[in-house]
Amino acid sequence: DTAVSQTPKYLVTQMGNDKSIKCEQNLGHDTMYWYKQDSKKFLKIMFSYNNKELIINETVPNRFSPKSPDKAHLNLHINSLELGDSAVYFCASSTQGGNQPQHFGDGTRLSIL
Amino acid sequence: QQQVKQSPQSLIVQKGGISIINCAYENTAFDYFPWYQQFPGKGPALLIAIRPDVSEKKEGRFTISFNKSAKQFSLHIMDSQPGDSATYFCAASRDYGGATNKLIFGTGTLLAVQP
Repeated sequence: DTAVSQTPKYLVTQMGNDKSIKCEQNLGHDTMYWYKQDSKKFLKIMFSYNNKELIINETVPNRFSPKSPDKAHLNLHINSLELGDSAVYFCASSTQGGNQPQHFGDGTRLSIL
Repeated sequence: QQQVKQSPQSLIVQKGGISIINCAYENTAFDYFPWYQQFPGKGPALLIAIRPDVSEKKEGRFTISFNKSAKQFSLHIMDSQPGDSATYFCAASRDYGGATNKLIFGTGTLLAVQP
């Protein structure tokens, strides 16, 4: 049973398109996150949600819009894709509260042509 | 500004040897220091974590050493095995008393354990 699952695993698209990545966790966690890992493998937090409420927004361009329909799901929609958006995007989840272990999905590799 | 600096960038160790990865942080308010292991095509997985009230934590072959005054912490992998070959990330965060924590990651160390 996959704890944090993301779809799709690979996403290849043209510049200017709009795309979405879906994330679901079956761990019963209240908090979910999106991270971006660039070509040099640097990991940076983008957003965090707790019980469907946005908590952290790390100065990400407003072309990126997370949506949490319920506390088990956190989707990421990206408008007007740019070459610099090419990266691996990871979803993660944790229990509520500070400094809780975060569990990561296996990532979505986004490639912009 | 890189708040968590990690070295070396890559490391080659012989099977059975000790792998050592070092991290240094700047923000003295950080109070949680996890290490994550990432295999190709997979997400980071929590390996071991330490809080600043202890100087060392050991779990199996993995040990974190923590030096609060120097603002440094390190991961030691004893008896390194080829299966340990992966990218290792240190991280740090601060408990704001809120619902979530914001992990600041180091730049990663690619470890190769040669048989």
